[in-house]
Amino acid sequence: KAGVTQTPRYLIKTRGQQVTLSCSPISGHRSVSWYQQTPGQGLQFLFEYFSETQRNKGNFPGRFSGRQFSNSRSEMNVSTLELGDSALYLCASSDGLTGRTGELFFGEGSRLTVL
Amino acid sequence: LAKTTQPISMDSYEGQEVNITCSHNNIATNDYITWYQQFPSQGPRFIIQGYKTKVTNEVASLFIPADRKSSTLSLPRVSLSDTAVYYCLVGVRGFQKLVFGTGTRLLVSP
Repeated sequence: KAGVTQTPRYLIKTRGQQVTLSCSPISGHRSVSWYQQTPGQGLQFLFEYFSETQRNKGNFPGRFSGRQFSNSRSEMNVSTLELGDSALYLCASSDGLTGRTGELFFGEGSRLTVL
Repeated sequence: LAKTTQPISMDSYEGQEVNITCSHNNIATNDYITWYQQFPSQGPRFIIQGYKTKVTNEVASLFIPADRKSSTLSLPRVSLSDTAVYYCLVGVRGFQKLVFGTGTRLLVSP
């Protein structure tokens, strides 16, 4: 079955702009999580959506937001971009059910460069 | 969430067995231990998960002692393609808010 699809794969923005990233999870998965990866901070959890509701949230400012649609596809938005937002943004899907392995299936990421 | 400690890097040669140990002294009763592998510019990939004793799958084994304060990921007969960063995570099974530490950068040489 198809894996996790993230679009766009690469994008360049300037400071102050906003960006929207999209993630299509594996069919049947209801949980979508977002992570930011930078050389300095490593992999950091942004938020998780399950059945269109934000279920978990990381320690990022309010400029980072997300949503999930009824078909489980998710988008994340970063407003008022800063240079430090340059990163690889990874989306992961899972069945989202506690008591199971919780295995995350990651997409290839969207690499954002802020100039 | 229990904090984990792993070696920052390890070197090996093709065909050798590699053991990466992770310390998690504050692991809770309900916590499981999970390992992920990440190649450059790709998302992490689930390798193995365990609770106690030993777990084995087609790519790795996971050894967990009785006190569960540490775990060892064992990769048999590594190849160049096993060069990657390996992350050890500890948490409630199915909990989605994963905390990735710095990981162990494994370099496999010919």
